[in-house]
Amino acid sequence: GAVVSQHPSRVICKSGTSVKIECRSLDFQATTMFWYRQFPKKSLMLMATSNEGSKATYEQGVEKDKFLINHASLTLSTLTVTSAHPEDSSFYICSSKLAGGRETQYFGPGTRLLVL
Amino acid sequence: GENVEQHPSTLSVQEGDSAVIKCTYSDSASNYFPWYKQELGKRPQLIIDIRSNVGEKKDQRIAVTLNKTAKHFSLHITETQPEDSAVYFCAATRGGNEKLTFGTGTRLTIIP
Repeated sequence: GAVVSQHPSRVICKSGTSVKIECRSLDFQATTMFWYRQFPKKSLMLMATSNEGSKATYEQGVEKDKFLINHASLTLSTLTVTSAHPEDSSFYICSSKLAGGRETQYFGPGTRLLVL
Repeated sequence: GENVEQHPSTLSVQEGDSAVIKCTYSDSASNYFPWYKQELGKRPQLIIDIRSNVGEKKDQRIAVTLNKTAKHFSLHITETQPEDSAVYFCAATRGGNEKLTFGTGTRLTIIP
């Protein structure tokens, strides 16, 4: 149980285009999902907390107009990187917590984004 | 907010020996401390966690200890095997819908 999927696993795009990443909880309902960014050999940096049916809460320094988050259902959250630039290239990982459950976060497999 | 420090950043251990990774946290209200293992290019996998109402938890070769007074917790891996090689992250949170704050990670290498 507690399986989280992410799509796509890998994406290459041109500068200026937008990229959407999906995060799904496959066998449980998640009222809260988290979006992280991870640079090579670095720790996970929380970008935003996504709550179903409400606006996401962004961490300090993360541009909410650049990283659009939508959490329209209890099993799906999306992160859209708008007008991507090479510096947005990174490994993006989502995690989910069980609705009404404990603190444990289950991570998706990550999406590697390369912006040319 | 919470601040989690993790040491060492790299650790090499002979196969069969034990490995210990230590973390300290700053927020005395934190009450949940998970440890994640991340292999290269893969997702972080929860390997063990501990809540503040216990001081130690063990799962086969892996154990975690927590000292609330000193605000530090440690991961212990015994009888290490090559497949234990990975990056390990500690984390802390107040629980509920509060976010996890991660340590900076420890790259563990098991030498055959």
